[in-house]
Amino acid sequence: AQSVTQLGSHVSVSEGALVLLRCNYSSSVPPYLFWYVQYPNQGLQLLLKYTTGATLVKGINGFEAEFKKSETSFHLTKPSAHMSDAAEYFCAVSAGNSNYQLIWGAGTKLIIKP
Amino acid sequence: DAGVIQSPRHEVTEMGQEVTLRCKPISGHDYLFWYRQTMMRGLELLIYFNNNVPIDDSGMPEDRFSAKMPNASFSTLKIQPSEPRDSAVYFCASSLGTLQHFGDGTRLSIL
Repeated sequence: AQSVTQLGSHVSVSEGALVLLRCNYSSSVPPYLFWYVQYPNQGLQLLLKYTTGATLVKGINGFEAEFKKSETSFHLTKPSAHMSDAAEYFCAVSAGNSNYQLIWGAGTKLIIKP
Repeated sequence: DAGVIQSPRHEVTEMGQEVTLRCKPISGHDYLFWYRQTMMRGLELLIYFNNNVPIDDSGMPEDRFSAKMPNASFSTLKIQPSEPRDSAVYFCASSLGTLQHFGDGTRLSIL
């Protein structure tokens, strides 16, 4: 069965510092992987996705993630944090079996220190 | 293009009352998902539909919860009777394939 683990419920970085949010998954089928972002009092918005092809995926707002099959990871990075990046970030993997359900991680709240 | 539209955005009601949450998916999408988000349990999938047919309702907490999708452009999630522990943010999402698009949610408070 598919599952997603996000390491760290809260991550705090200084403005301008590297952002690294960790996501590990397990999947019995080739995975489709997603990162979503949720700003306060809003719904979840797609940040980036991996389906097939290039393993380094670029998303909105300067974020990118790399699919590493050998490590079953899909970590999210951004070279330089901005105050506006403060939000909660969710990693998800497709459930497989063509039912389009997503299996969600517990979320990581990113805190940006001035 | 209009996204997923949920109504109401906020609902405050007393326990025991019936609550109905509404969702209009993106036109052409054939999957619709209802989620609940709380601090304690995070994001939980309650039920999802494919082509208006419920596929998996195993996440529905109990019989007080019911969901319908009478046509491709409308779905409801009903709680009857409501209880304080139902207080949460309820999201609707729709998709054509694996990419889910979320509404802004309904913040429900049961007093």
